[in-house]
Amino acid sequence: KAGVTQTPRYLIKTRGQQVTLSCSPISGHRSVSWYQQTPGQGLQFLFEYFSETQRNKGNFPGRFSGRQFSNSRSEMNVSTLELGDSALYLCASSLKGVDRGYLSTDTQYFGPGTRLTVL
Amino acid sequence: AQSVAQPEDQVNVAEGNPLTVKCTYSVSGNPYLFWYVQYPNRGLQFLLKYITGDNLVKGSYGFEAEFNKSQTSFHLKKPSALVSDSALYFCAVRDITGANNLFFGTGTRLTVIP
Repeated sequence: KAGVTQTPRYLIKTRGQQVTLSCSPISGHRSVSWYQQTPGQGLQFLFEYFSETQRNKGNFPGRFSGRQFSNSRSEMNVSTLELGDSALYLCASSLKGVDRGYLSTDTQYFGPGTRLTVL
Repeated sequence: AQSVAQPEDQVNVAEGNPLTVKCTYSVSGNPYLFWYVQYPNRGLQFLLKYITGDNLVKGSYGFEAEFNKSQTSFHLKKPSALVSDSALYFCAVRDITGANNLFFGTGTRLTVIP
């Protein structure tokens, strides 16, 4: 079974631009979560999507947004890029995610990430 | 609120020796704990998790972790280190409020010396 795939793997943008990153989860997985990894802040949760709905959001400004499609593929968008947005963006998929409030014990499986550099 | 601490930024161990990467956690209620490994320019690879049951959890690549509730620890261990185990290791705890996100530690870089 194929793993989580993310495209593109590397991206260079300039300040003020906007960017869209894509994530395809493992087949059959319905939940997609996004994380930002930086040397200074470590791994931080951005948001989670399940059944095309954002279920949870981390502490990031509104410039960061996302969506999920009916086939569970997800995109995240960052508008008005800042230098501090340079990071490795990781997508993770899990089988169920959160549904009707129960706490899932599912494992999250991560993709290879998209390395975003903002100049 | 939940949090995870990895007290060592760097751990060095000789090849063939046992290794331990430390993790302590803080959470209200029962924790769901995970270990992931990250190789250069790669995403995170799942190693093992503790949900409930036996305190000793066995995972991928010969790794295991021991859940200790009284010490709020979940240390990662391996009996005999390989050079290929050199990587960045992350401990994580699930958000217990019902959201499906992980809180990660700051990571421990393991170097296995030949």
